Amino acid sequence: DVKVTQSSRYLVKRTGEKVFLECVQDMDHENMFWYRQDPGLGLRLIYFSYDVKMKEKGDIPEGYSVSREKKERFSLILESASTNQTSMYLCASRSPGHLSSYEQYFGPGTRLTVT
Amino acid sequence: LAKTTQPISMDSYEGQEVNITCSHNNIATNDYITWYQQFPSQGPRFIIQGYKTKVTNEVASLFIPADRKSSTLSLPRVSLSDTAVYYCLVGDINDMRFGAGTRLTVKP
Repeated sequence: DVKVTQSSRYLVKRTGEKVFLECVQDMDHENMFWYRQDPGLGLRLIYFSYDVKMKEKGDIPEGYSVSREKKERFSLILESASTNQTSMYLCASRSPGHLSSYEQYFGPGTRLTVT
Repeated sequence: LAKTTQPISMDSYEGQEVNITCSHNNIATNDYITWYQQFPSQGPRFIIQGYKTKVTNEVASLFIPADRKSSTLSLPRVSLSDTAVYYCLVGDINDMRFGAGTRLTVKP
């Protein structure tokens, strides 16, 4: 089974802090994604990565950056956390060459609170 | 990027068949239709994917009419554990987006 893990389930940070959210997948997937989920808005794509050292902006990249130095790890960085970044953050991975290539595998999520 | 419209919420009872319809009027030729399920405090889980006509797996069926402007996810004989949010996504492999989803509540 594919496993996607995220570094924390719950995180509380102060405004202005630099925040790192880590995601690791164990299935050698090329593609990885970061979403945030807010009530009534569904999941919104922040950034995605096709492969190591590659990144593409999603729909709401402002205030975020990402890093993909190794294939299995995709990090989301909040350079200076703000209260409007309080949200559930979900990481996913996908193998575009697999038969079910549209299937993304999600981690359990990190609920971030910025005070 | 095809935009989707789904009902915000639906209620059903155990043992009933549930059909959730998704509208996607501007679907493109290369777009696929994919459905995910999300339980509280978990990430979404892939259910089914299709391009046209009907697709069935052990969990659900997906019906897509010839014009592909809508699709219907069918869950046979739901149970309480099917209470979740269901998302319809439409797009090609590099351009799929989640909407707000449909919150399905199954009652005893």
